[in-house]
Amino acid sequence: QKEVEQNSGPLSVPEGAIASLNCTYSDRGSQSFFWYRQYSGKSPELIMFIYSNGDKEDGRFTAQLNKASQYVSLLIRDSQPSDSATYLCAVTKETSGSRLTFGEGTQLTVNP
Amino acid sequence: EPEVTQTPSHQVTQMGQEVILRCVPISNHLYFYWYRQILGQKVEFLVSFYNNEISEKSEIFDDQFSVERPDGSNFTLKIRSTKLEDSAMYFCASSAGSTQYFGPGTRLTVL
Repeated sequence: QKEVEQNSGPLSVPEGAIASLNCTYSDRGSQSFFWYRQYSGKSPELIMFIYSNGDKEDGRFTAQLNKASQYVSLLIRDSQPSDSATYLCAVTKETSGSRLTFGEGTQLTVNP
Repeated sequence: EPEVTQTPSHQVTQMGQEVILRCVPISNHLYFYWYRQILGQKVEFLVSFYNNEISEKSEIFDDQFSVERPDGSNFTLKIRSTKLEDSAMYFCASSAGSTQYFGPGTRLTVL
């Protein structure tokens, strides 16, 4: 079983739509959860982090965490072509200084 | 806005040669990391560093790899004798707590 699993995609949505990205993790001891965006050939760029069950909103982005189901998601509202990238889910076991374990990423394409 | 910087952006080397990849973490961060990403694959953890010592390393981080913080600003990754399979993007990251910020990466090509 993979430690962090994401829909491999690719996911394609029209401009203005909601994009939904999903991630499951296997270690119940995971404490912190992150979404990074990675453009081709570039480094991961932090979008959001979430530590507690429930929803966390930041602009057009909403992260959702359900620790009982070991599930994290990212919703992107009003998707823009510039949102086209690979989205990486990452988890850590501790609150500080711990390794990030990444999923393989979901490639998102937003069509104008 | 402070950011992690890395040099060089691209390094080409011959198999068996030593390479040193350099990073300047964000100045008030305490935790430093190296990750790598082989083309088309996921980002993989190599090593974390705190209080001038390695705090955690992965199975990838074998005796060919070493890290150092030679002064108050730089954080380096050395690969002693490069192999073809070391060709990858190498990312440095730093954090004050759990949220890690990544540098732009060094693309290492081993011929």
